[in-house]
Amino acid sequence: AQKITQTQPGMFVQEKEAVTLDCTYDTSDQSYGLFWYKQPSSGEMIFLIYQGSYDEQNATEGRYSLNFQKARKSANLVISASQLGDSAMYFCAMREPSGSARQLTFGSGTQLTVLP
Amino acid sequence: DGGITQSPKYLFRKEGQNVTLSCEQNLNHDAMYWYRQDPGQGLRLIYYSQIVNDFQKGDIAEGYSVSREKKESFPLTVTSAQKNPTAFYLCASRDGLYGYTFGSGTRLTVV
Repeated sequence: AQKITQTQPGMFVQEKEAVTLDCTYDTSDQSYGLFWYKQPSSGEMIFLIYQGSYDEQNATEGRYSLNFQKARKSANLVISASQLGDSAMYFCAMREPSGSARQLTFGSGTQLTVLP
Repeated sequence: DGGITQSPKYLFRKEGQNVTLSCEQNLNHDAMYWYRQDPGQGLRLIYYSQIVNDFQKGDIAEGYSVSREKKESFPLTVTSAQKNPTAFYLCASRDGLYGYTFGSGTRLTVV
């Protein structure tokens, strides 16, 4: 069984500062994918970044980067230069391996608040 | 533009009533999923379908039913057997290994 753990229920960051949201995962599979989503108060899930288990480089998308440490089974999201619009719920998720239904398993989320 | 449409945005259910949540996609994706989200929590899988006329139970399928008669449509029925249906429901579809698209959700409240 897979499991995603996000240990920070809430985080505060000052505008323009960087923030790291933690995510650890547990799987015995060799092939998997890791995702980060942003959920504003309106409810939609906004895709931020993806890291494949075989990708050697850490993924980056604009101000978002994923600190992937495979041996430690961690996939932390780093947001640089925080903006007020970054205030939202952030979810880490893992995709099941190929051959299965490939559904996403989600962590419990981290509520990020950016302070002016 | 391609995407997933969920309706209604808000839904109120009386005790003992069945209600159906709509999920329609025009992305030509084979795989579709229903998730439930409780306040302050992550998403949990209810049902999924990888192809028309086939669907499988997820982690919390009790009290729910689905159908997949068309590729574009994957409606979710919340039955009276679901004792605590108040939640936010999200529908998603998938293309390839990481092309997941989510709808905007339906907020269901028992009154």
